[in-house]
Amino acid sequence: DQQVKQNSPSLSVQEGRISILNCDYTNSMFDYFLWYKKYPAEGPTFLISISSIKDKNEDGRFTVFLNKSAKHLSLHIVPSQPGDSAVYFCAARMYNNNDMRFGAGTRLTVKP
Amino acid sequence: DTGVSQDPRHKITKRGQNVTFRCDPISEHNRLYWYRQTLGQGPEFLTYFQNEAQLEKSRLLSDRFSAERPKGSFSTLEIQRTEQGDSAMYLCASSLAAGRYEQYFGPGTRLTVT
Repeated sequence: DQQVKQNSPSLSVQEGRISILNCDYTNSMFDYFLWYKKYPAEGPTFLISISSIKDKNEDGRFTVFLNKSAKHLSLHIVPSQPGDSAVYFCAARMYNNNDMRFGAGTRLTVKP
Repeated sequence: DTGVSQDPRHKITKRGQNVTFRCDPISEHNRLYWYRQTLGQGPEFLTYFQNEAQLEKSRLLSDRFSAERPKGSFSTLEIQRTEQGDSAMYLCASSLAAGRYEQYFGPGTRLTVT
């Protein structure tokens, strides 16, 4: 059961522009959401997270937005840099539950 | 390097053989997780330890799979009688105790069953 969905397998943007990666979830019990970035031959690296009590969390060039009513979150990267090129995974979990569910990932390519 | 490490990075085995993978978490992390990732998919949760206690197991973890964390430090994941469907990337992650949700991943062990 695909409780976390990333419907865009790939995204290509120009350097300096905004990258927007989207994620939808179906389980209303999820209360914590995370974004991970993965380079080839490496494990996923934690990027940014958001609790369900918030609708926005910002860290430098990265901002995550959460729309609970739509069960949708997005990751904005501004400005995008070539080093941001990687696969981005959205993940979600329920309070006190260690079963973190991941989306299938979106491959971001930032062109110089 | 104080990150999560995994050994080996790659393993090729014949169907029916047993394999064992090792994970060394970040030293102060008492929670350790195993995930499996297949091509085009995100990581799928397999099991979780708090210290040496295995507290959760996914239904994905068949009877052929067993994981241990004997002293609450490193962990091993063993697959017995491997099948071609076991071919995947096996990822280990660790985190601090409750309240810290960020899991830090190792580089993974890529298993190929021929």
